[in-house]
Amino acid sequence: QITLKESGPTLVRPTQTLTLTCTFSGFSLSTSGVGVGWIRQPPGKALEWLALIYWDDDKRYSPSLENRLTITKDTSKNQVVLTMTNMNPVDTATYYCAHRGPGTHPDYWGQGTLVTVSS
Amino acid sequence: DIVMTQSPDALAVSLGERATINCKSSQSVLYGSNNKNYLAWYQQKPGQPPKLLIYWASTREAGVPGRFSGSGSGTDFTLTISSLQAEDVAVYYCHQYYGTPWTFGQGTKVEVK
Repeated sequence: QITLKESGPTLVRPTQTLTLTCTFSGFSLSTSGVGVGWIRQPPGKALEWLALIYWDDDKRYSPSLENRLTITKDTSKNQVVLTMTNMNPVDTATYYCAHRGPGTHPDYWGQGTLVTVSS
Repeated sequence: DIVMTQSPDALAVSLGERATINCKSSQSVLYGSNNKNYLAWYQQKPGQPPKLLIYWASTREAGVPGRFSGSGSGTDFTLTISSLQAEDVAVYYCHQYYGTPWTFGQGTKVEVK
């Protein structure tokens, strides 16, 4: 059974760096084709993809946010970490991590974590 | 980037009636080498993460009721709920995974009339 859970701060001050951790079970990020992605959703708005890391450590980022994002994985801990620098109130959102099977779509999602950016 | 545009933005349907949501991609998401459309549909209820309903444009995820179906190819896709139930009230998103950046439609809110 695949599960994912996001963790991190609920409140971040403007200009600070956000660090979110996705802890997963039921799959290995060393399995060929597997990936873990991050997607966010501002309150009442649509889903926005942020980043994706593959089993071979290939990393992809949203072009509009690439200069602020870093995604890493720790296969031994079954974790993926997303950092986002220079946080702004418009970054207030629920942040989700999701499992991507080999060559496919995101199928399993975490419950999400709401991050508020405010002074 | 592949832009995903859904229509309508909101839809009110009587219980037991058909609901149809359209999704159009700005470029084809049909991969020629395997003839698969890299298009998925998700259902999201308030306070919950998106739930996968359909992938490869028309393959129903295990456990998803048969009243949900997906169709289309290339750039034009449709999600149909054949007989709307009260528990289907939600926002529905289409999503292309043809390549990165992944993109989603803006969502369609389905309500009971």
